[in-house]
Order: sequence, then structure tokens, then C-alpha cells
Amino acid sequence: SQQGEEDPQALSIQEGENATMNCSYKTSINNLQWYRQNSGRGLVHLILIRSNEREKHSGRLRVTLDTSKKSSSLLITASRAADTASYFCATWNSNSGYALNFGKGTSLLVTP
Amino acid sequence: EAGVTQSPTHLIKTRGQQATLRCSPISGHTSVYWYQQALGLGLQFLLWYDEGEERNRGNFPPRFSGRQFPNYSSELNVNALELEDSALYLCASSLHLDRATYYGYTFGSGTRLTVV
Repeated sequence: SQQGEEDPQALSIQEGENATMNCSYKTSINNLQWYRQNSGRGLVHLILIRSNEREKHSGRLRVTLDTSKKSSSLLITASRAADTASYFCATWNSNSGYALNFGKGTSLLVTP
Repeated sequence: EAGVTQSPTHLIKTRGQQATLRCSPISGHTSVYWYQQALGLGLQFLLWYDEGEERNRGNFPPRFSGRQFPNYSSELNVNALELEDSALYLCASSLHLDRATYYGYTFGSGTRLTVV
């Protein structure tokens, strides 16, 4: 079953602009993770934020987590054409049999 | 360090046949997860193996099965293939679950199964 729900479904921006994707989930979590998928290939782990953390940075990525609203956001600053991909949030809950539950993803297109 | 490897890359089968997909985890990873990514449906959790045992399975019929070998590699079998089984099947591995909470999963590039 889907736990995370990304918004928007698709996003188109120009190089240099910032891209923001949101994720909402339904039940309590231990951590939330963001992954990138290029053109139907394997997923690449980007960043993990634990339930007791509110914000995390990694290079041009900034993730926030609001457990009271059951939501997270991924910000990619100064986007590049190479950032074009699908981005998925995934929640991890020790009560869900330790399986990562993925949303359907946000498709990001960055044009030069 | 080699990543998660999956084979074959592509597989074409006829409806009713059986398909076998293989996955080799990163060295030191004991958990292997299988996901199905069908068009428009996102990633659906299939199976989780750890230390050679099936720990959890998603909402899939019993014709989806698998196993994990002593070297932690894994096999996914899909029997009596149906057209809607056509999808990208992704394998991921992680450290043992008590450490997996601090790290993400490492995914392979997937096997694209087409049922005709």
C-alpha cells in the first residue's frame, strides 16, 4: 500500500531555479527517505531524515520534516539539467514490517 | 565496491510461463528487498528477506515467491505469468535492520519483465 504521496506529480523548471517537492504520509514513521530515479532505472538514495529531526542538508538538497503535519519537503537549489529525474519519498516504520513504503513520485524536468 | 546487481536486465516471457529474477546484494548486507514498479503505480513492496528467511511480504498473490541463499543473494520467482505482471522489478539491499534505520537502501538497476 502507498504510504507517501508526493506533490506535485510533475514539475518543470529552468536551470538555476529551485525545485520543491512535497510528501505527505498517513501513519507514524521512524524515518523518511528521498530517492531519485533516472529514466526507469534503479533508485538512488539521496537523504534520510529521522523522526526526531526537523531539517537536514546534503549539498544542494534540503529536507524538512513536520511530524505533526505528517509531511516532508525536498528542496533542490540551483537546479541543473542533470537533476531531471523522478523523485520518491519513502517512509520507514518499525510497525510496517520494516518495509520502505514509497509514494508515486514527482517527475522533475529541468530545462537548460 | 560492487553495487547491487540484478540479472537479467530484460526478460520477455509468454503468459502462463514462469520467470526467475536474481539479485546480488552489496557485500556485508544481509537484507534483500524486492519491489515491483508497474507503469503508473509507483513502487509496490513485494518481499523482504533477512538472514535467509522471508520476513515480510506485500499484498501480492502466492505465485510471487522467492528465497535468499546463504551468501545473501536472492531469487524472485513469478509463476503463471499474467500480462499485468509486466513491470520493472527492483531489488534493494541494506545492512541488518537494526542499522538500516540510519541508512537508506541501495537499489539495483532492475529487471524489466515483459509478459506477452
